Amino acid sequence: QKEVEQNSGPLSVPEGAIASLNCTYSDRGSQSFFWYRQYSGKSPELIMFIYSNGDKEDGRFTAQLNKASQYVSLLIRDSQPSDSATYLCAVNDYGGSQGNLIFGKGTKLSVKP
Amino acid sequence: DVKVTQSSRYLVKRTGEKVFLECVQDMDHENMFWYRQDPGLGLRLIYFSYDVKMKEKGDIPEGYSVSREKKERFSLILESASTNQTSMYLCASTRDRGWTNTEAFFGQGTRLTVV
Repeated sequence: QKEVEQNSGPLSVPEGAIASLNCTYSDRGSQSFFWYRQYSGKSPELIMFIYSNGDKEDGRFTAQLNKASQYVSLLIRDSQPSDSATYLCAVNDYGGSQGNLIFGKGTKLSVKP
Repeated sequence: DVKVTQSSRYLVKRTGEKVFLECVQDMDHENMFWYRQDPGLGLRLIYFSYDVKMKEKGDIPEGYSVSREKKERFSLILESASTNQTSMYLCASTRDRGWTNTEAFFGQGTRLTVV
C-alpha cells in the first residue's frame, strides 16, 4: 500500500515566522510532488509542485525535495494569519493508475497574530 | 483556467434515496476522480475514470457507482444512501501527461448529509 505521511498538527506559528511542513512517501518511484492548501469547508487548491531534487521557490513558499530520503517539505516564510489552513501533500501514483495522486491526510497550520 | 464544477454545494437526502452527484470539467482532461473527505481520514478515492465509459475502483467503492458518458462529465451515484455516506465529496480532474505533471484540479465540493 503506497502511503504519504504527514504530521496532522496542529502546527502553530506566530505571524512573521517560518512555517515548516513535512511529508514522507513510501513509493521510491514517485516523480511528481504537490502541495495543496485547503481552507476549512473549501476544496484543495494547488500552491506548489516540484519534480526535481532540491529547492523550488515561489514567493513566500519554498518546496524542498529529497528523493533519496523520500521526503518533501514546504516552507512558508513571513507566515500570515491568512496562511492558516490544512496543507495536503500529494505524490503521483507511479506504476499505478496514470494521472492519479496519492494524498496525505494533511497538516493543519495555525498562524497566530 | 481549469474549471471543475460540481452540481451542488450542499445536499440533504433521506436514507435509501438514490443520489446523483455531477461533476463537469471544461479543460478536456482525460482523468476524473471522486473523493470523499472526512475529518481525520483525509481524502479517500472512491472511483476514477481515465476515459469515456472507463472506470476504476478506488479505495472505497462500496455503496457507490459512477458514470462517464462524455469526456467532460463524471457522475457519482449513491445507489441507496446511508447515514455513513454523510461526507464532503470532491471531484477532481487531471490531464494525462504520463507519470509527471499530474496536478489535480478540484471542484468546490458537495457537502452531503444523509438523514
